[in-house]
Amino acid sequence: EVELVESGGSLIGPGGSLRLSCVASGFPFTTVWINWVRQAPGKGLEWVGRVKSENQGGTIDFAAPVKGRFSISRDDSRNTVFLQMDSLKIEDTGVYYCSTGGFDHWGQGTLVSVSS
Amino acid sequence: QSVLTQPPSLSGAPGQKVTISCAGSSSNIGAGYAVHWYHQLPGTAPRLLIYFDTSRPSGVPDRFSGSKSGTSASLAITGLQAEDEGDYYCQSYDSRLSAYVFGSGTKVTVL
Repeated sequence: EVELVESGGSLIGPGGSLRLSCVASGFPFTTVWINWVRQAPGKGLEWVGRVKSENQGGTIDFAAPVKGRFSISRDDSRNTVFLQMDSLKIEDTGVYYCSTGGFDHWGQGTLVSVSS
Repeated sequence: QSVLTQPPSLSGAPGQKVTISCAGSSSNIGAGYAVHWYHQLPGTAPRLLIYFDTSRPSGVPDRFSGSKSGTSASLAITGLQAEDEGDYYCQSYDSRLSAYVFGSGTKVTVL
């Protein structure tokens, strides 16, 4: 069974940093792209970024609002993808989900609250 | 401001049909990029309903169907059931933004 589990969310002040983790199981992780999607409280879904599989170059892309502040890395030996979030802003608050490349499987999400 | 526009809310009685529209532009749906649809219940992760415009993952009832024409796409739900309540989102890729984009979301209520 495919499973994605996010962790690392917490309450943090503006300008701070957080690293989220997404641990996957139930599928050949090394061949799969992983997306990060967020949802602000009471709002819709917003794509944050994506890392391709290593055999497809491991290319990383980000949405404009987070470009230059967020980074993604993957550790295929641990079936894990990390979302490093720096220079956090209040508007980065929300539930962060990881999902497979085709958005066909999603984790349960982890809550990031940026507040002073 | 979402790149893909959906009606904020729709409602229907049990057994009726509702259709959710997703209006895009020449840089996303109109450029031929695939449209996918998701259903989300409060406090839970989205669930894929339709992929590549018209295909259903295993386990999704055939009451759900997708279509696409020009710069728009639609999701039809026939034989509406109480469990169909929730938020629905369309999603595609936008070449001008070089980003995946989601619709603004539609809240479906079963009367």
